Amino acid sequence: DAMVIQNPRYQVTQFGKPVTLSCSQTLNHNVMYWYQQKSSQAPKLLFHYYDKDFNNEADTPDNFQSRRPNTSFCFLDIRSPGLGDAAMYLCATESKGQAVAKNIQYFGAGTRLSVL
Amino acid sequence: QQQVKQSPQSLIVQKGGISIINCAYENTAFDYFPWYQQFPGKGPALLIAIRPDVSEKKEGRFTISFNKSAKQFSLHIMDSQPGDSATYFCAASIGSGNTGKLIFGQGTTLQVKP
Repeated sequence: DAMVIQNPRYQVTQFGKPVTLSCSQTLNHNVMYWYQQKSSQAPKLLFHYYDKDFNNEADTPDNFQSRRPNTSFCFLDIRSPGLGDAAMYLCATESKGQAVAKNIQYFGAGTRLSVL
Repeated sequence: QQQVKQSPQSLIVQKGGISIINCAYENTAFDYFPWYQQFPGKGPALLIAIRPDVSEKKEGRFTISFNKSAKQFSLHIMDSQPGDSATYFCAASIGSGNTGKLIFGQGTTLQVKP
């Protein structure tokens, strides 16, 4: 059973047209991450939520925003996608500071974003 | 100091052979070293992980060797199979607290030929 679910799997948007990617989890983990992964590269952390606390990476462009309305859901908003934003976007979850914490990140299958 | 350097970038192994991927780090505060396996079109999945208080961890055909003094660790895949063909990422983190982010290596694309 999928535990970290990303929708949609494929997203095509136009240059400059806002797009939202979604992630949901059934693990009840308190931490949710968003990564950007370009072809043949390692995942690059954009930001993460530790419970409701948002933690942005210093080099994440302002064009990228995130929302976490509740424990289960997290959204990635790209306000004005550029051609360079075409990539796979990965969501991951982790249990931190909880009784079952094991330092394991569980990844979704990703959303592949194309920008035309 | 936050980097994890991984090599080789790509690897081709015959079925039944041993695949070896190496990683090196600088930050001695890292205390958790996982390996992730990623198939095309999928997200990474944890394969095996080690903490620096042990020098080796084995799970089935997968073994991590850890050299704390050299600040290096490696993944060995014994009896490599075509189904092992994937991209492998080593990673490191400072596991405790709110700042335990994963620092990924650059990845190794493994192809196991039948």
